Amino acid sequence: DGGITQSPKYLFRKEGQNVTLSCEQNLNHDAMYWYRQDPGQGLRLIYYSQIVNDFQKGDIAEGYSVSREKKESFPLTVTSAQKNPTAFYLCASSTGTGRSSNQPQHFGDGTRLSIL
Amino acid sequence: RKEVEQDPGPFNVPEGATVAFNCTYSNSASQSFFWYRQDCRKEPKLLMSVYSSGNEDGRFTAQLNRASQYISLLIRDSKLSDSATYLCVVSTGGFKTIFGAGTRLFVKA
Repeated sequence: DGGITQSPKYLFRKEGQNVTLSCEQNLNHDAMYWYRQDPGQGLRLIYYSQIVNDFQKGDIAEGYSVSREKKESFPLTVTSAQKNPTAFYLCASSTGTGRSSNQPQHFGDGTRLSIL
Repeated sequence: RKEVEQDPGPFNVPEGATVAFNCTYSNSASQSFFWYRQDCRKEPKLLMSVYSSGNEDGRFTAQLNRASQYISLLIRDSKLSDSATYLCVVSTGGFKTIFGAGTRLFVKA
């Protein structure tokens, strides 16, 4: 079955530690996204990538980093610089690129990150 | 003013009721509109796209009013399984997509 796989489902971070969240898709989608969701709030865009080896900052990129070495994979690293990392992290993908991209995004089932 | 605004609810309705959600958006250049459903502690799932002419999928009807910059979702004959948070999503094309904070719906027996 085609889909988006995020791992792990739950993750705990210690002070000063970097952690990496995995996102893999087999939908052959060009575009991939990372969002953060806090309780009672909408999704906020962290980073997005239109094609391999290219990615752009979203609205809240500080304290995060990404890479896009393969079309299928878009891992997110939460660095120690992110002082409030506790949230629900969602990875998404969509077809199409550029200004004509009006396709809906499809989500993985998320990773819950907490601070120890 | 938020770019996408929704009534947070919650909406508490009995089974079989008809319920409507509205969503307003501020960017008149917005091109694409969607409704997503999000169950508690789960990922959002696409419910339906919203087209200018309005569209229907079973018990669900979506409408777009570009002049007033709002979209709506109507759910007829509510089921217990419709209980969820409904997210309004607006895109200006490219990669600018804004998610509303969602409207919570509880359908009771």
